Amino acid sequence: EVQLLESGGGLVQPGGSLRLSCAASGFTFSTYAMSWVRQAPGKGLEWVSDIRNSGSSTYYADSVKGRFSISRDNSKNTLYLQMNSLRAEDTAVYYCVKMSGDNHHYALDVWGQGTAVTVSS
Amino acid sequence: DIQMTQSPSSLSASVGDRVTITCRASQGISTYLAWYHQKPGKVPKLLIYAASTLQSGVPSRFSGSGSGTDFTLTISSLQAEDFATYYCQNYYSAPLTFGGGTKVEIK
Repeated sequence: EVQLLESGGGLVQPGGSLRLSCAASGFTFSTYAMSWVRQAPGKGLEWVSDIRNSGSSTYYADSVKGRFSISRDNSKNTLYLQMNSLRAEDTAVYYCVKMSGDNHHYALDVWGQGTAVTVSS
Repeated sequence: DIQMTQSPSSLSASVGDRVTITCRASQGISTYLAWYHQKPGKVPKLLIYAASTLQSGVPSRFSGSGSGTDFTLTISSLQAEDFATYYCQNYYSAPLTFGGGTKVEIK
């Protein structure tokens, strides 16, 4: 069974940092691009970032560019999101999502359960 | 950036109704368009990709059409489990934008 398990969320003060992790299982992790999508409370879905299967290419939403960094360790089947300079508007549930191909020209076919990030003083 | 505009933002319908949701891209995206739905408190689920291809395990009452800038999701006969929020998404180019969502509620 394909599974994505996020961790690392929590409460952080404005300006702080968090590192989210996503442990993947049930598929050949190194074959697929991966993405982070977030959802603020009561709001819609917002794509945050994605990374090619090899890790050679990364993309970011303008709202997080320069503050967030996506990476992956294919030897550990794990995806990461390093979040720096956090703002109140980054408060959301963050979903780790598998893409159905090796780059971002594919749909998001498997979603994790999400990890909540709250930025507040 | 490509903007994705869904309409309507919400609708009320009865079980058995035919429901249509539209999604318009601000520039052409060929068929790089996916549809998802999300039930309250649940994780989003992929319904359709490549504008019209049904994801494995998704009931055949769901269908998608369109290419370029205009797309449609149709539910041929609404079931109780279909009451949810529906999102379209562009995966033609980054940023991979979502539409604002269409909430389908019980009439």
